[in-house]
Amino acid sequence: GAGVSQTPSNKVTEKGKYVELRCDPISGHTALYWYRQSLGQGPEFLIYFQGTGAADDSGLPNDRFFAVRPEGSVSTLKIQRTERGDSAVYLCASSLRTSGSRETQYFGPGTRLLVL
Amino acid sequence: AQSVAQPEDQVNVAEGNPLTVKCTYSVSGNPYLFWYVQYPNRGLQFLLKYITGDNLVKGSYGFEAEFNKSQTSFHLKKPSALVSDSALYFCAVRDQYNDMRFGAGTRLTVKP
Repeated sequence: GAGVSQTPSNKVTEKGKYVELRCDPISGHTALYWYRQSLGQGPEFLIYFQGTGAADDSGLPNDRFFAVRPEGSVSTLKIQRTERGDSAVYLCASSLRTSGSRETQYFGPGTRLLVL
Repeated sequence: AQSVAQPEDQVNVAEGNPLTVKCTYSVSGNPYLFWYVQYPNRGLQFLLKYITGDNLVKGSYGFEAEFNKSQTSFHLKKPSALVSDSALYFCAVRDQYNDMRFGAGTRLTVKP
């Protein structure tokens, strides 16, 4: 596609429920990143994929958070037993190459998650 | 550890005046610096980046930024602000060892 797409755009769930957030990167981009942006703050790194594998998941806050990218394209961020503190905008980004400290990351519009 | 500081939460300028949005950083290795803009209910849009070379970087929509190694700064500038430039601006830094770290953002308001 023309840009990074994310679905759903908004998700409301109840505390304790499981949610999945989807990211479809720019075609041909091999690196994919997930960030979380809380109100009034900058994006906070969660995890990045190099192809199908998670190259760095050091930003995931705890084991309730998990992400996959089974075919090296679409990625799903999964949150188990959601808590009110998980409410945030979850941003996905992709870049052209995997070794790319220098590469520009292009962001999707985000998924706004609200946990009641 | 790497970090980014945007010392101003809010910047207000009149349309047609020059604008500056400040950013300072700290990294272990060579810095790769980025500016992004975020409009309401939208994702981040890339404006410009510094990797190496000329300290003055030109980007989208007439924005530019100057890399100053001695002051560890990467301030965003535009000679003549437009009302449509009003948005949230984020500075970000990474190096070859670490992932991207963003500042807290600066809200720019350009008044007609």
